[in-house]
Amino acid sequence: AQSVTQLGSHVSVSEGALVLLRCNYSSSVPPYLFWYVQYPNQGLQLLLKYTSAATLVKGINGFEAEFKKSETSFHLTKPSAHMSDAAEYFCAVRHTGTASKLTFGTGTRLQVTL
Amino acid sequence: GAGVSQTPSNKVTEKGKYVELRCDPISGHTALYWYRQSLGQGPEFLIYFQGTGAADDSGLPNDRFFAVRPEGSVSTLKIQRTERGDSAVYLCASSSYPASGGGNEQFFGPGTRLTVL
Repeated sequence: AQSVTQLGSHVSVSEGALVLLRCNYSSSVPPYLFWYVQYPNQGLQLLLKYTSAATLVKGINGFEAEFKKSETSFHLTKPSAHMSDAAEYFCAVRHTGTASKLTFGTGTRLQVTL
Repeated sequence: GAGVSQTPSNKVTEKGKYVELRCDPISGHTALYWYRQSLGQGPEFLIYFQGTGAADDSGLPNDRFFAVRPEGSVSTLKIQRTERGDSAVYLCASSSYPASGGGNEQFFGPGTRLTVL
């Protein structure tokens, strides 16, 4: 069964600093991986997705993630944090089969300080 | 165009009562999903509809939970004899079908916060 593990439930960075949010996956087949962001009292918004086309995936708001099969990782990064990046971030894996369900990690809350 | 909408945004009920949560997906999206998000956790899958039929209901926790999508558009999640442990945010998502490149995006609604007293 596919699953994802997010290391670190809370991450705090200074404005302008590098953002690194960790996600490791477990899958017996090539996975489809996603990063979603959730702002307070809002639904989840897709940041980026990996669908095997390219290992380095660029998303919205300056975020990107690199798929590393050897490390079973799909970490999310952003070179320079902005105050508006403060939110909850979820890594997810899509199960095989067309249009099927997502399994989410437990989330990482990103705090950005001045 | 309009995104996924969910009503009500908040629902407070008493233990043992029946509740219905509604989801309006993006027009034209044939796939519809329900997830439940407990405090401090990621969303957990409940049920997936393809058109009018439930293609996967493996996430429904027990027979108190039921969902319908009679016309292949709006869906209603129904919870009977609510328990305090049912308190959570219930999220609905929709996506187009078939998948494009295997990574069809699920678009999420803002959720319904259910509180069972």
